Amino acid sequence: QQQVRQSPQSLTVWEGGTTVLTCSYEDSTFNYFPWYQQFPGEGPALLISILSVSDKKEDGRFTTFFNKREKKLSLHIIDSQPGDSATYFCAASDFTNTGKLTFGDGTVLTVKP
Amino acid sequence: DPKIIQKPKYLVAVTGSEKILICEQYLGHNAMYWYRQSAKKPLEFMFSYSYQKLMDNQTASSRFQPQSSKKNHLDLQITALKPDDSATYFCASSQEGLFYEQYFGPGTRLTVL
Repeated sequence: QQQVRQSPQSLTVWEGGTTVLTCSYEDSTFNYFPWYQQFPGEGPALLISILSVSDKKEDGRFTTFFNKREKKLSLHIIDSQPGDSATYFCAASDFTNTGKLTFGDGTVLTVKP
Repeated sequence: DPKIIQKPKYLVAVTGSEKILICEQYLGHNAMYWYRQSAKKPLEFMFSYSYQKLMDNQTASSRFQPQSSKKNHLDLQITALKPDDSATYFCASSQEGLFYEQYFGPGTRLTVL
């Protein structure tokens, strides 16, 4: 059973539009949720993260929302740009002192000019 | 200057051989990790180290052995290579404990023929 699931698998939006990516998880002990952005041929880059004690975190054009009751989170990108075209990964950790991040399958975002 | 160096960028090996993947981080972090990304699976946690001590091992095979000669080094030795080991291997590091935000290197793409 996959612990972290993302949707959609791929998404195309127009430049200037708002992108919404979603993530759900199974394990109730997860309490730290980072989002990573990955360009082809590169390593994942930390984009934004949120702790389970919060329901929203904003960083420029990127905002992540967290719903503990529904075990869901989302990433919103406003004013999407072609340079945002990448694969986005949701991950989760439970602070058990091992540092293990459990990743979703990712969403491939294409922003068309 | 890159903060996490992985060498080599690309690696081709024959089945049954042994290879070492190199990782050095210059972020001053005390925790380091290895992850694997293949076409069949999402980013998958392999190992975590803190202050050069193994904290977690999620690999099912003893063919994968991390080696930490210095605090900022965590190499990965893979023996008896199999075609299924073909993947991109990412090193990551974090500060202030294992649950903190992890930063990834550019990866080593391994192909086993």
